[in-house]
Amino acid sequence: GAVVSQHPSRVICKSGTSVKIECRSLDFQATTMFWYRQFPKKSLMLMATSNEGSKATYEQGVEKDKFLINHASLTLSTLTVTSAHPEDSSFYICSAGRPAARYQETQYFGPGTRLLVL
Amino acid sequence: GENVEQHPSTLSVQEGDSAVIKCTYSDSASNYFPWYKQELGKRPQLIIDIRSNVGEKKDQRIAVTLNKTAKHFSLHITETQPEDSAVYFCAAIGDTGFQKLVFGTGTRLLVSP
Repeated sequence: GAVVSQHPSRVICKSGTSVKIECRSLDFQATTMFWYRQFPKKSLMLMATSNEGSKATYEQGVEKDKFLINHASLTLSTLTVTSAHPEDSSFYICSAGRPAARYQETQYFGPGTRLLVL
Repeated sequence: GENVEQHPSTLSVQEGDSAVIKCTYSDSASNYFPWYKQELGKRPQLIIDIRSNVGEKKDQRIAVTLNKTAKHFSLHITETQPEDSAVYFCAAIGDTGFQKLVFGTGTRLLVSP
């Protein structure tokens, strides 16, 4: 199967600071990656679709200036939470599919990043 | 857009029993339906998926059925074991290629020894 990594696994920061989360596809190239947010005991909520070499597509209600996404290479997408506040505390998960695979729809998830903003 | 509903929200069974989780979707164009298992604090793991050209798929103790006419699909786990305890999410995707997944609300399965 495909391997997707995320870094850091958890981060604690002060209110007002920015936090960058990295999502990497380790053994395949991913032209598209997805960023999700998950609150405790809730489902995964898609935040944005990250496209290599172009601007991300954000879901309705997600502030693009708040959650900056950069997909500079075929194996790396980053999510930066700018001026973080306690309400941004959550579990952030990325996923990627394999464009060269027979079934491109299959998505593989990273291990997630738990963000706590104090 | 696509909307996926999932039931039940919690399911408790005894070890060895079967468990069934059901999902409905709204977009008749959806053609890919994966199921993910998520343990506490971990990433969702794909356990089985089905495409719209088949009605049923089985992998050992796990099976998924799809009724396109009724727009619903179900996960069946037989001979449940305590390690099956987790949250299960169904999802649907509208088009082939890299389109976004829409997730159900999740089912917390508890298998008691």
